[in-house]
Amino acid sequence: EVQLVESGGDLVQPGGSLRLSCAASGFTFNNYDMHWVRQATGKGLEWVSTIGTAGDTYYPGSVKGRFTISRENAKNSLYLQMNSLRAGDTAVYYCARAPLGESYYDYWGQGTLVTVSS
Amino acid sequence: QSALTQPASVSGSPGQSITISCTGTSSDVGGYNYVSWYQQHPGKAPKLIIYVVNKRPSGVSNRFSGSKSGTTASLTISGLQAEDEADYYCSSYTSSSTWVFGGGTKVTVL
Repeated sequence: EVQLVESGGDLVQPGGSLRLSCAASGFTFNNYDMHWVRQATGKGLEWVSTIGTAGDTYYPGSVKGRFTISRENAKNSLYLQMNSLRAGDTAVYYCARAPLGESYYDYWGQGTLVTVSS
Repeated sequence: QSALTQPASVSGSPGQSITISCTGTSSDVGGYNYVSWYQQHPGKAPKLIIYVVNKRPSGVSNRFSGSKSGTTASLTISGLQAEDEADYYCSSYTSSSTWVFGGGTKVTVL
């Protein structure tokens, strides 16, 4: 059974940093592209970052230069290092799996809540 | 990259069919067949229901169907059921090697 379990969400002050993790199981992790998607309370989904199987990374302008996505295939783990956090980054962060070379998310984790507030 | 445009809400009675539109540009929806749709019930993670414009994952009801014409993709739910009441999001790959979602549509079963 495919499972994605996020962790690391917390309350952090503006300007602070946080590292999210996503533990994957039930599939061959290094064969899939991985994404982070976030959702502010009562709002829509927003793509945050992507890492391909070859380690290539992609970001929207809203987080580029502040967030870093990485993966550790030996540990079946995905990470999101978030720096210079702002109130607007407050959201539930989901990790999601995408088949290699495809642009859809076939499995999602349950999410971890990040709150940026003083 | 601007979000794709979806209607904020759509409603229908049980058994009816409804269609949700998702409008983008030639740089996203119109330029690729990488349009997908997700269903999200309150407090739950999104669930993939349509990928590559019109394909259904295994286990998804055939009451859900997708299509695309130009820069607008559509999701049709036929034979509307109470369990279909949820939020629906479209998504597309873009020419900037990024991904974009629609603003979401709340489906209400009357």
